[in-house]
Amino acid sequence: DSGVTQTPKHLITATGQRVTLRCSPRSGDLSVYWYQQSLDQGLQFLIQYYNGEERAKGNILERFSAQQFPDLHSELNLSSLELGDSALYFCASSVQGQETQYFGPGTRLLVL
Amino acid sequence: EDQVTQSPEALRLQEGESSSLNCSYTVSGLRGLFWYRQDPGKGPEFLFTLYSAGEEKEKERLKATLTKKESFLHITAPKPEDSATYLCAVRLNYGGSQGNLIFGKGTKLSVKP
Repeated sequence: DSGVTQTPKHLITATGQRVTLRCSPRSGDLSVYWYQQSLDQGLQFLIQYYNGEERAKGNILERFSAQQFPDLHSELNLSSLELGDSALYFCASSVQGQETQYFGPGTRLLVL
Repeated sequence: EDQVTQSPEALRLQEGESSSLNCSYTVSGLRGLFWYRQDPGKGPEFLFTLYSAGEEKEKERLKATLTKKESFLHITAPKPEDSATYLCAVRLNYGGSQGNLIFGKGTKLSVKP
């Protein structure tokens, strides 16, 4: 158990819908990262937050957004969902931004 | 373009048959190379961090090494429970608190009893 928690574990929804994925980092970690893992692309970095502020952005679609709250938990919002958004979404956390990242168990999203 | 390539894509071993997994990288400035293990449907589990060429780390049957262009994960006398996908990732030299990782596509290891 890495200490990073993610909810929900599974999510099934329809195209065009909006969903919110939640992540709680390890105690004491200030940085939260979101990654998407699909069969053909592997693990792709989406976005990083550090102590409530956006720190780095990867290949995140405009339909996707995230935020980190004062209690340091983070939410990833996915809107206007398409079939191709079906994937595993992982959250990771680290103390600041230059240390080892510890991953949560992931949320499996299926868009029908 | 910063890139991480892992080989082979898949590897089948008999229990006790030692082998190595390769991770080659082409990056503009390396600030750490990471190895993770991932079981199906689970999150990546941290194994090692390497920072400079010549560095080695060991954990049970696993040993990770780093050169200027690649890293190897050596598996000695593997057991069936070592079966998993092994992921390599690099963190680039951005500085500050920016720390996202670039992952390779992984090597799927199967160890048969």
